[in-house]
Amino acid sequence: NAGVTQTPKFRVLKTGQSMTLLCAQDMNHEYMYWYRQDPGMGLRLIHYSVGEGTTAKGEVPDGYNVSRLKKQNFLLGLESAAPSQTSVYFCASRRLATQETQYFGPGTRLLVL
Amino acid sequence: GENVEQHPSTLSVQEGDSAVIKCTYSDSASNYFPWYKQELGKGPQLIIDIRSNVGEKKDQRIAVTLNKTAKHFSLHITETQPEDSAVYFCAASINFNKFYFGSGTKLNVKP
Repeated sequence: NAGVTQTPKFRVLKTGQSMTLLCAQDMNHEYMYWYRQDPGMGLRLIHYSVGEGTTAKGEVPDGYNVSRLKKQNFLLGLESAAPSQTSVYFCASRRLATQETQYFGPGTRLLVL
Repeated sequence: GENVEQHPSTLSVQEGDSAVIKCTYSDSASNYFPWYKQELGKGPQLIIDIRSNVGEKKDQRIAVTLNKTAKHFSLHITETQPEDSAVYFCAASINFNKFYFGSGTKLNVKP
């Protein structure tokens, strides 16, 4: 039982490049979330999903797209990376049926030059 | 949307002393308030939470209090130890749907 895993751990991109961050969970959770963490700003919700095939916008969705084709995976895409997207990205998941909090992955550090 | 403010941003205490971190929230509909501990290079981990129908909750050396009228909640750590050094985040949620986080408190416990 690995919990929530994120791939890659670290990535450097040039402005305008695209990439996909992968989040995987083996806990059969319905809800999955993508956050970004910036110094002094806590965690801000980018997008989230309440189940396979569904996604919704969070607080800061611009410049990002997501997909949830399989229940266990939640993908975060950057189509044209910008330096403002330099951040640490965290994925989280939680169960729908019970009133439980989220379980977080270890994070992906992204640097956009 | 919900706005969560957290103070202080940094806190330094001597080992054995108590530490208190405070958060305020703006949306009176928020009914779930978790606290997370984040160690360097890791994701946040839940350490304690409280629901809006409870005023206080305690788990060994940590406790959380909630004042719904004033819309603020606090984390209390007693008998601090060096391993308590980390960044702590508060959060607020309406019905466990979206979570809104405070900006974090870096706690340093000096041996």
